Amino acid sequence: QSALTQPPSASGSPGQSVTISCTGTSSDVGGYNYVSWFQQHPGKAPRLMIFEVTKRPSGVPDRFSGSKSGNTASLTVSGLQAEDEADYYCNSYAGSNNLVFGGGTKLTVL
Amino acid sequence: EVQLVESGGGLVKPGGSLRLSCAASGFSIGSYCMNWVRQAPGKGLEWVASISSTTGYTYYTDSVKGRFTISRDIAKNSLYLQMNGLRTEDTAIYYCAKNIYSGYDNSFDHWGQGTLVTVSS
Repeated sequence: QSALTQPPSASGSPGQSVTISCTGTSSDVGGYNYVSWFQQHPGKAPRLMIFEVTKRPSGVPDRFSGSKSGNTASLTVSGLQAEDEADYYCNSYAGSNNLVFGGGTKLTVL
Repeated sequence: EVQLVESGGGLVKPGGSLRLSCAASGFSIGSYCMNWVRQAPGKGLEWVASISSTTGYTYYTDSVKGRFTISRDIAKNSLYLQMNGLRTEDTAIYYCAKNIYSGYDNSFDHWGQGTLVTVSS
């Protein structure tokens, strides 16, 4: 199974919105509503931010939202804050009992 | 409070074996799908294996099939990863993660702090 495609980097100023894309195929992102997004700060374990494309776990600010169109899923962070600076990874169910991650996007808050 | 604590990592030679453990507290591992996810130094995340709650079915990424075995001891509330035939490309931090639900999916809502496995001669 091939990794999902994410931009290596993204950036925005405090208060702005930024969207990170996650592109797959009809065999993974496009074929199932099982896309998750994870935030990882340096030296820390990942944190679940979005699951099943649009759902937020308890405790995740509503500034974080997920969506999907065709074979591309997106994570939008609104009202950027300094603590949002981190690496973000998408993950999708890829059929045949496989899960695949994206390569990760480093989000910088300018 | 949900807690996951991994142990068992270390330095091993290519071809060797290691058994990772993940001690869970604050919930019963028998009620949730449990997973192992790894991260090579400076690299991205890679799903390794999962074990579903009700059936105990196991799932593996292709690169570890036949070499790694995920298991659990519900009485000890612990998850394991037996790793045989280790290769240098298995070098990574290995994280234990719990699902939001009992079923197999990618809703890894709680993670341990990870344990480092280094495969080198």
